[in-house]
Amino acid sequence: KQEVTQIPAALSVPEGENLVLNCSFTDSAIYNLQWFRQDPGKGLTSLLLIQSSQREQTSGRLNASLDKSSGRSTLYIAASQPGDSATYLCAVRSGMGTSGSARQLTFGSGTQLTVLP
Amino acid sequence: DAGITQSPRYKITETGRQVTLMCHQTWSHSYMFWYRQDLGHGLRLIYYSAAADITDKGEVPDGYVVSRSKTENFPLTLESATRSQTSVYFCASSENIAANEQFFGPGTRLTVL
Repeated sequence: KQEVTQIPAALSVPEGENLVLNCSFTDSAIYNLQWFRQDPGKGLTSLLLIQSSQREQTSGRLNASLDKSSGRSTLYIAASQPGDSATYLCAVRSGMGTSGSARQLTFGSGTQLTVLP
Repeated sequence: DAGITQSPRYKITETGRQVTLMCHQTWSHSYMFWYRQDLGHGLRLIYYSAAADITDKGEVPDGYVVSRSKTENFPLTLESATRSQTSVYFCASSENIAANEQFFGPGTRLTVL
């Protein structure tokens, strides 16, 4: 069974700092990996999707990398801003099996980021 | 409005009552999903649907019923609500199960007293 872990659970940084959020998964046979942002009391907003054949994806100040063999992904946020404060969730879609349930998203518990002005 | 919507946004009910949470998407996505989010457990899949009239269980289906008579709607019913079903429920949709992103609704906060 796929398990996804995000460390740290919470992170507080001063504005302007570059930071890295970590995600690890136990089964490297994944189809893709998706990073989400969740603001308090709100739904999830998709940030980046990395297919299993890709090494990284970039969107603005965000860069996500994927190392399937080691079961790791990182989300790099450049020049952090107070508006980046949110919980960041990593989710993995496992690739094995023909059953649809085997290819559902498995979520980590998230990293709660606070960027201090 | 385009996108994925959920109703109600907040619901308080009592143990034993039937509750239905609604989800509607305007993209004509084939796949729709229901998750619950709880502290300490993250998001867990309850049920999903590959198309109209096709549904399947996720990780935590017990106590829940779904239907999908139309592509755009995917209601989730708690037949006899229990306190352990107090949670935030998210609906999501995806164009297909493979390469595409999942898009999430704003969530329904359900409290069972």
